[in-house]
Amino acid sequence: NAGVTQTPKFRILKIGQSMTLQCTQDMNHNYMYWYRQDPGMGLKLIYYSVGAGITDKGEVPNGYNVSRSTTEDFPLRLELAAPSQTSVYFCASSYSGGDYTFGSGTRLTVV
Amino acid sequence: AQSVTQLGSHVSVSEGALVLLRCNYSSSVPPYLFWYVQYPNQGLQLLLKYTSAATLVKGINGFEAEFKKSETSFHLTKPSAHMSDAAEYFCAVSEKGQFYFGTGTSLTVIP
Repeated sequence: NAGVTQTPKFRILKIGQSMTLQCTQDMNHNYMYWYRQDPGMGLKLIYYSVGAGITDKGEVPNGYNVSRSTTEDFPLRLELAAPSQTSVYFCASSYSGGDYTFGSGTRLTVV
Repeated sequence: AQSVTQLGSHVSVSEGALVLLRCNYSSSVPPYLFWYVQYPNQGLQLLLKYTSAATLVKGINGFEAEFKKSETSFHLTKPSAHMSDAAEYFCAVSEKGQFYFGTGTSLTVIP
């Protein structure tokens, strides 16, 4: 099993550019999440989804958008990249809010 | 919303010494509690979890944690540190399908 797969692993964006961080899971988990991790700040929830077609804002949603058209995929969209979005992004999934399985992360730098 | 406090952002221990990483949560109702470990440039891996069964929980790699309701604590311990234990450790509490993470404790093991 691949678990939770995130692509790309690294990316450098220029201010104002847009990109999509991909996340897919093959465990048939209904819940999926996007977190960002900044040094000394722990993980902050950006968006989450409890099933296909349902998404909700987390603690730090500004500047991001998500969609959940299938159970497997939960892409995160950055429309106008800003330096404040330089971070490591983690996707995770769980079955009905139980144990999380994390992806290996996407390291994003906005310059 | 829940909150999790990890005392000590950096902990250093000698190889073979006791590891103690502290975690306190805010909740009037015993929650689900978790410890995750993050090795450099990797995602988070589940170490152990408390789900209202035994108060002493054993996890992988020789780690264990004790749930103390009176102290609202869930401290992580390991009797003898190994060099391979050097990593970032996160305590988390689950509420309504969402995880709330502490800010992390970086463990250094001195040879």
